[in-house]
Amino acid sequence: QVQLQESGPGLVKPSETLSLTCTVSGGSISTYYWSWIRQPPGKGLEWIGYIYYSGATNYNPSLKSRVTMSVDTSKNQFSLKLRSVTAADTAVYYCARTRYGGYYMDVWGKGTTVTVSS
Amino acid sequence: QTVVTQEPSFSVSPGGTVTLTCGLSSGSVSTSYYPSWYQQTPGQAPRTLIYNTNTRSSGVPDRFSGSILGNKAALTITGAQADDESDYYCVLYMGSGFWVFGGGTKLTVL
Repeated sequence: QVQLQESGPGLVKPSETLSLTCTVSGGSISTYYWSWIRQPPGKGLEWIGYIYYSGATNYNPSLKSRVTMSVDTSKNQFSLKLRSVTAADTAVYYCARTRYGGYYMDVWGKGTTVTVSS
Repeated sequence: QTVVTQEPSFSVSPGGTVTLTCGLSSGSVSTSYYPSWYQQTPGQAPRTLIYNTNTRSSGVPDRFSGSILGNKAALTITGAQADDESDYYCVLYMGSGFWVFGGGTKLTVL
């Protein structure tokens, strides 16, 4: 049973870079796509982007200028960096396995809360 | 900008049937958008219910079903139970490796 676990600082200062890692256990990161999704307090879900195990990426146009995703297959991990954060980036951040056959997210991490505040 | 629309809220009586919909601000939803549906209870991660319009994810009861109704994707819950009270999100695949979430529907069972 594949499980995902997000990790990273829970507090980031405005204008700095948010960095999160998702660790995949119980299965290989290879041959799958992996997404980041976020949810601001009291609001809906927003797809941030995905990374393929090969390193290919695609980002939400609304965040593209600030987002970088990377993958480390040797550690079965993938990561998210979001630059120049503001309070609007405060959210629960989820990682999810993304199936290109069917085009959906089938396994989700529990999420990690990131607060942007000085 | 593409907006995926959902009813903000809905209520259903225990044992009743409810259909939640997922539309587009411009245009019609078809199977080509591969609509998927997710259930989320407060403080929890989303749970995958339906993908590829009408395929139930593993372990999802058959009282959850997906379809296309008119120009929208639809999630129907037949025989609603108290623990179906949740937020429900649809997601559409817009092509070119890009997904858009709907705003979610808060379902109350009362």
